[in-house]
Amino acid sequence: LAKTTQPISMDSYEGQEVNITCSHNNIATNDYITWYQQFPSQGPRFIIQGYKTKVTNEVASLFIPADRKSSTLSLPRVSLSDTAVYYCLVGDGTGRRALTFGSGTRLQVQP
Amino acid sequence: DVKVTQSSRYLVKRTGEKVFLECVQDMDHENMFWYRQDPGLGLRLIYFSYDVKMKEKGDIPEGYSVSREKKERFSLILESASTNQTSMYLCASSLLGGEKLFFGSGTQLSVL
Repeated sequence: LAKTTQPISMDSYEGQEVNITCSHNNIATNDYITWYQQFPSQGPRFIIQGYKTKVTNEVASLFIPADRKSSTLSLPRVSLSDTAVYYCLVGDGTGRRALTFGSGTRLQVQP
Repeated sequence: DVKVTQSSRYLVKRTGEKVFLECVQDMDHENMFWYRQDPGLGLRLIYFSYDVKMKEKGDIPEGYSVSREKKERFSLILESASTNQTSMYLCASSLLGGEKLFFGSGTQLSVL
């Protein structure tokens, strides 16, 4: 089971780019990497998913190096509303393995 | 949009009571999950199911059981609630082929 490690917390200011890195040293060949955002008193919300190289959508980019032992979520020009906890998740997509979240990274965006 | 509905937003129960937490999803997803979330401990997987009547233990199944009689419904059961089961419980669902989980709003359970 691929275990993930993230920084506990990060601070940023509005308008800055934020990069959150997740380490997953024993990721398996079939595993995908998925990132979630969670606000207080809500369930996590899907942000982005990737397998290798770079994926971009309207809210974030995901960078995955060739060895896939880590991944970086990039949030461009953060605002106060991006203050949340961010989780990375590694799984093989079959649903036949438990999907275990790491401890998450608490991002605090200051004005 | 996928909707995952948890039956109660807040629940207060007494020690020793049998507690049912219900979760319903409306997108025909194969996979369903129950997590609990406690301050400082992140999300911990209790049980999951990838098909009707199938269930698999997660990381912390002790003190819990589950039931999946229909594809859209996944129930978490606390046979005899204890104070250390006071927590936020989150249900999620996904298609069989991916980790794009859709979460419900959660049930904050207090066991007194």
